[in-house]
Amino acid sequence: AQSVTQPDIHITVSEGASLELRCNYSYGATPYLFWYVQSPGQGLQLLLKYFSGDTLVQGIKGFEAEFKRSQSSFNLRKPSVHWSDAAEYFCAVGANLENTGNQFYFGTGTSLTVIP
Amino acid sequence: NAGVTQTPKFQVLKTGQSMTLQCAQDMNHNSMYWYRQDPGMGLRLIYYSASEGTTDKGEVPNGYNVSRLNKREFSLRLESAAPSQTSVYFCAIATGNQPQHFGDGTRLSIL
Repeated sequence: AQSVTQPDIHITVSEGASLELRCNYSYGATPYLFWYVQSPGQGLQLLLKYFSGDTLVQGIKGFEAEFKRSQSSFNLRKPSVHWSDAAEYFCAVGANLENTGNQFYFGTGTSLTVIP
Repeated sequence: NAGVTQTPKFQVLKTGQSMTLQCAQDMNHNSMYWYRQDPGMGLRLIYYSASEGTTDKGEVPNGYNVSRLNKREFSLRLESAAPSQTSVYFCAIATGNQPQHFGDGTRLSIL
């Protein structure tokens, strides 16, 4: 069965420090991978996506993520965090299933706090 | 979020009342989804519609019904609301293998 694990429920970093949010997935075939960000009271906004090709993908707001098939991971990184990055981050796997069409599986999220 | 409109944005119900959450899209996507979001549990799929005229259960369908009225609209109905259904509800759309687009959510409280 497909699943997504975000092992860190909450992370606190100082403004200007680097950031890495972890995501591990379980899926039998080549996955489609996504990172979303959610600000308080808002919906989810797509940060970046991986379908195939280059395993290092660039997204909006200076974020990047690296797909590592051997580790079943898709970790999100940012070299220097800004106070406005404080939000909830969700990793998701997309699966094109024969009988049920496109399905998406979400991790439980990582809450990011940025301290001045 | 552009493309996906959810109404209402907020609602307070009493236990046993019924209501329908509306979702409309203007992006001509085939698939539509209803999720609920609860603290520490991420997004859980309630129902989805792979295309107009079809609906299927997700992970947590009990207590809910859906209607895919046409390609644009996908509604979620609570027939007899329970406090356990207090949550934030998100509608999402997708097409092919492209990522989902989400609405801004409906915040539902059931007393």
